[in-house]
Amino acid sequence: DGGITQSPKYLFRKEGQNVTLSCEQNLNHDAMYWYRQDPGQGLRLIYYSQIVNDFQKGDIAEGYSVSREKKESFPLTVTSAQKNPTAFYLCASSSRTGPGLAGGEAYNEQFFGPGTRLTVL
Amino acid sequence: AQSVTQLGSHVSVSEGALVLLRCNYSSSVPPYLFWYVQYPNQGLQLLLKYTSAATLVKGINGFEAEFKKSETSFHLTKPSAHMSDAAEYFCAVRKAGGFKTIFGAGTRLFVKA
Repeated sequence: DGGITQSPKYLFRKEGQNVTLSCEQNLNHDAMYWYRQDPGQGLRLIYYSQIVNDFQKGDIAEGYSVSREKKESFPLTVTSAQKNPTAFYLCASSSRTGPGLAGGEAYNEQFFGPGTRLTVL
Repeated sequence: AQSVTQLGSHVSVSEGALVLLRCNYSSSVPPYLFWYVQYPNQGLQLLLKYTSAATLVKGINGFEAEFKKSETSFHLTKPSAHMSDAAEYFCAVRKAGGFKTIFGAGTRLFVKA
């Protein structure tokens, strides 16, 4: 079955530690995204990638880093610089449909993974 | 710039009653609109989407939504609530042909027996 997997489901971090959250998709989607979800705040975009070896900052990228070495993988590292990392993290992906606005690309809706809940001890 | 407003962070209905979750959007260009559902400690699942075809969109689990350009709304409805509908619902907007999706803050639906 095609889909998006995230691991681990629960993660505990001590102060000052870096941790990496895994996201893998076998949907052959071009774009991948990382969101942070806090109660009552909806989803906030951390980073996104439209192509291998390229990624862009979202709205709240400070204290996070990503890589996109393979089309199917988009790991997120939560660094010690992120002062309030306790949250639910969601990975998503979407397929490209063709040319979009202003020379960009258009994409279909996003599919989401099951999420990773990170808690700082 | 685009934005989404979901009216009511919590909605409570009785089992068998009508479900109405409100969503208003702001977009300077024709929008694509989406409703997602999230069950506790899970990811988001797409319920339905509007992409400039029929204004009344039918989705999974008996949900539907109507795009009303004059009211800039995309409210989600279901004629008869079921206990299994209890979850959090997110409305989202994206420019047609664009890339970035903007999510609302979510509405938690409670269903009473």
